[in-house]
Amino acid sequence: ILNVEQSPQSLHVQEGDSTNFTCSFPSSNFYALHWYRWETAKSPEALFVMTLNGDEKKKGRISATLNTKEGYSYLYIKGSQPEDSATYLCAFAPYNQGGKLIFGQGTELSVKP
Amino acid sequence: EAQVTQNPRYLITVTGKKLTVTCSQNMNHEYMSWYRQDPGLGLRQIYYSMNVEVTDKGDVPEGYKVSRKEKRNFPLILESPSPNQTSLYFCASSGGDLYNEQFFGPGTRLTVL
Repeated sequence: ILNVEQSPQSLHVQEGDSTNFTCSFPSSNFYALHWYRWETAKSPEALFVMTLNGDEKKKGRISATLNTKEGYSYLYIKGSQPEDSATYLCAFAPYNQGGKLIFGQGTELSVKP
Repeated sequence: EAQVTQNPRYLITVTGKKLTVTCSQNMNHEYMSWYRQDPGLGLRQIYYSMNVEVTDKGDVPEGYKVSRKEKRNFPLILESPSPNQTSLYFCASSGGDLYNEQFFGPGTRLTVL
């Protein structure tokens, strides 16, 4: 059974703090790693799809890095804002397993003004 | 507007009464997938489809059926629903394969009594 772990499970920060979370996935058989942002009462929305070892992606204040050899990805948020409050999900796509996508349980971020 | 639609959005039903949740996308995407979300368990993949007439099991396929007769539609069928299928269901689609981000539908909240 392929396992995807995210840590921490939840995080409470003050506005302006920078923060980061971790997604751990199997280091063998890598195809792609997805990050999604999921606000309460809405649907998950894609942040990044990462496909190469050493990949770094950035969208505004949010960035992500990828290490496929050791099986982890970091998501960074610089200068957190209350509107960043959401659950952040990562999902691992294994190679040679068609369209299988395995999600972690998510990191719930709460940013206080 | 590019979107994934699901119907119904909310459904309360009784054990054993067959139901279908529809999913449709207007982006000409090859890949479609169904997930269920349960507290503490994250998103779990039920079935996915890489293209028309090509479907495969995800991690939790028991009790569900799918079909992909047209590119835009990917219905989820519960032949004999049971209370343990009470959950929040999401449909998603992406162009090509899992090198591409997924677009999620609005979700269907299903309660089986």
